[in-house]
Amino acid sequence: KAGVTQTPRYLIKTRGQQVTLSCSPISGHRSVSWYQQTPGQGLQFLFEYFSETQRNKGNFPGRFSGRQFSNSRSEMNVSTLELGDSALYLCASSPRDSVYNEQFFGPGTRLTVL
Amino acid sequence: QQPVQSPQAVILREGEDAVINCSSSKALYSVHWYRQKHGEAPVFLMILLKGGEQKGHDKISASFNEKKQQSSLYLTASQLSYSGTYFCGTPKGTGANNLFFGTGTRLTVIP
Repeated sequence: KAGVTQTPRYLIKTRGQQVTLSCSPISGHRSVSWYQQTPGQGLQFLFEYFSETQRNKGNFPGRFSGRQFSNSRSEMNVSTLELGDSALYLCASSPRDSVYNEQFFGPGTRLTVL
Repeated sequence: QQPVQSPQAVILREGEDAVINCSSSKALYSVHWYRQKHGEAPVFLMILLKGGEQKGHDKISASFNEKKQQSSLYLTASQLSYSGTYFCGTPKGTGANNLFFGTGTRLTVIP
């Protein structure tokens, strides 16, 4: 079974631009969560989608948004990029919304904002 | 809401034991443990639920003290492959797909 894939793997943008990152979950998984990882703040939860609905949201400004499609693929968008948005963005999928779920993480998209 | 982990870093020789602690200021329904090796994605290790249920790998053990809102991960007879950063996560809700992760514990195992 193929793992979680994220595209692109690396991205360089300048301040003020916007960016869209893509995540394809493991086949059959309906939940996709997004995390931001930085050396200073660690792993921070952005949002979670389940069956095309946003279920939970972390403490990030409205510039960060996401969506999930009917095939469970998910995208996240960051508008008006700031230097502090430079980070590794990880998505994770799991088969359902259960307290027993383990999440399977993708390799991440490394975003650099200049 | 971010749990606090201790220690921040630890160095072990092969065969030694280590304990990684995770504590939260809010009531916990479950605690999730992940390990991330350098340059790789986090990998699931274990889930501990209120009430004592656990799900995880056979070679990893952990405890969950609901009253103290703490969890500990026990690494015994460490191997070189145990090196990495260990994160505990606590969910925002009752599910498991919206984790607030701790600051991480960097574990290095040396020969």
